[in-house]
This record gives sequence, structure tokens and C-alpha cells, in this order.
Amino acid sequence: KAGVTQTPRYLIKTRGQQVTLSCSPISGHRSVSWYQQTPGQGLQFLFEYFSETQRNKGNFPGRFSGRQFSNSRSEMNVSTLELGDSALYLCASSLAGQGVGNTIYFGEGSWLTVV
Amino acid sequence: AQSVTQPDIHITVSEGASLELRCNYSYGATPYLFWYVQSPGQGLQLLLKYFSGDTLVQGIKGFEAEFKRSQSSFNLRKPSVHWSDAAEYFCAVGALIGNNRKLIWGLGTSLAVNP
Repeated sequence: KAGVTQTPRYLIKTRGQQVTLSCSPISGHRSVSWYQQTPGQGLQFLFEYFSETQRNKGNFPGRFSGRQFSNSRSEMNVSTLELGDSALYLCASSLAGQGVGNTIYFGEGSWLTVV
Repeated sequence: AQSVTQPDIHITVSEGASLELRCNYSYGATPYLFWYVQSPGQGLQLLLKYFSGDTLVQGIKGFEAEFKRSQSSFNLRKPSVHWSDAAEYFCAVGALIGNNRKLIWGLGTSLAVNP
């Protein structure tokens, strides 16, 4: 069974641009979560989608947005990129959602560099 | 407030030595506990989890962890470390906070292995 797939793996953007990252969850998983990982900051939760609805949201500005499609694939978008947005963006999927009693499975991440 | 503490930011051990990575949590209810490992440039891989039952859980790659409710701890252990175990290790607690299911993450412990 294929794991969580994230595309692209690496990308470089310029300040002020926008970026869209894609995530295909494990087949049958309806929940997709997104995290931002930077050195020293650990894993910062962005948002979680379940059956096309945003179920949870972290403390990120409105420049960060996401959506989920009917096939459970998800995209996240960052508009008006800032240098501080340079990070590894991780997608994770699970059957019923992160948290109580559910295991989430991570993709390999998308490395975003903003110059 | 709910939190996860990994007291050791960085640990170095010799190959073949035993390993214990500490994880302490603060959560009022019965926790769901996870350990993940992240190799350089990769996503996170689940090592093991505790939901209920036997407090000593076995995971992949020869790792085990013990849940101690009285100490609010879930320490990860391995009897003999291999060079390939060098990675970042994250402890997480699954919690129900209000109506939201959340994963609360520690900041990670970076493990280096000396030959």
C-alpha cells in the first residue's frame, strides 16, 4: 500500500510569491494534517482536514490556507511568501484524524526555500 | 496546560551502547502516546504507540517504551544502538482538548551515534 506522497519535494520561491503544495494520503485515509517544521521550533501544526472540511487549525496567519478534495487529496497554499516561511512542510494522513486513539502517517515532506 | 517535554535536546552515544530518551507529558486524562523518528531530510516514521493495556510497548527497529502514569513519562529505550539510529526522535501525546482532537509534540531529541 502506497504511503503518503507529497509534491514537490523541493522548491525555491521568491519573497512575495505564492506556493501550493500537494499531498496524497494513504488510500482509505480521510484525514490530512499539515505541519511546518523549522530548526529549533519543532513541529508546528497548521491545519487538519477531514472529509473536505477543516477540522482543526493552528496559530498561523491567514496567508496559510488549505483544502481537501473529495478523493482526500489535499493542498496547502502560502501566499505572499516571507523569508521565515522557509521550512519543511509535512503532510500526514490517518483514518479518522489525529489525536485521540489514531495514528498518523507522514509523508517525506516538501522543502520550501524562500529567497 | 497540556504539554510534552523532551528534556534532552541532543544525546550522543557509542554504537552498541544502550539508549534511553526521555519524554514527560502534562495531560489530565489517559494519554495516547507516540514516538516517531525522523532521519535527516525525511518525514517522520512511527516507532511505537501506547493506547492502553501493557505499559511496556514494543516497536520497530528494536525500540521499546514504557508508560509510567505515576511519573507522567513515556521513555524510549533500545538495548544496543546502531549507527543507523542516528536521527531526531519525537514524542507526542494525543489529547482531546475541548472538542478538538490534537497531537501535542515535544521539540525532539537529536541522537548522534559514535562508531
